Amino acid sequence: QSVLTQPPSASGTPGQRVTISCSGSSSNIGSHVVNWYQQLPGAAPKLLIYSNNERPSGVPDRFSGSKSGTSASLAISGLQSEDESDYYCAAWDDSLNVVVFGGGTKLTVL
Amino acid sequence: EVQLVESGGGLVQPGGSLRLSCEASGFTFRNHWMHWVRQAPGKGLVWVSRIHTDGSATNYADSVKGRFTISRDNAKNTLYLQMNSLRTEDTAVYYCGRDNLGPEAVGNWGQGTLVTVSS
Repeated sequence: QSVLTQPPSASGTPGQRVTISCSGSSSNIGSHVVNWYQQLPGAAPKLLIYSNNERPSGVPDRFSGSKSGTSASLAISGLQSEDESDYYCAAWDDSLNVVVFGGGTKLTVL
Repeated sequence: EVQLVESGGGLVQPGGSLRLSCEASGFTFRNHWMHWVRQAPGKGLVWVSRIHTDGSATNYADSVKGRFTISRDNAKNTLYLQMNSLRTEDTAVYYCGRDNLGPEAVGNWGQGTLVTVSS
């Protein structure tokens, strides 16, 4: 059971906007930034969003992140078939002194 | 170009030991915190450990504390993970990563190395 809670699955059709939630607590999301990772099948993870809402160079602006209180969200607009992937949120946790990951959300593009 | 190349994975019996290496290039290694993250077959990402730029501070997941040791050699641009008292539940692909762009944001990842603990 992961410290950060994500829905196990999400889906959308091409062109749609989808959001993936990540719920935590005051010791992690409530007091630290959230990072998001994308992991395509058979590949290493890739940093998608850092510091809640910043995109690394090369990440399309279709991807955006937000945080409010002890929850965070990843939004993908203009959904494309290549967005079909696993997505993970992560944050530092003060109580555990570790980085905690969400369990991951498998996004399916219908 | 930033490159992280892990090595040292393989098959080991329960109770055995293994040392993973992660050779870094394309950036100033000594300036970055480094992480190990693992992924059991068909499962999600699990953070394992991190180490300060000069090795002066480390953190570990509870599941590996006391059994795994993270270290680095900044002269060799190499990160290590010494794994002792291995258990079947340690079976996973182990990734090393560079902390950059923001707090605990792993912006660069290696390709991973598979560790299989089985008798």
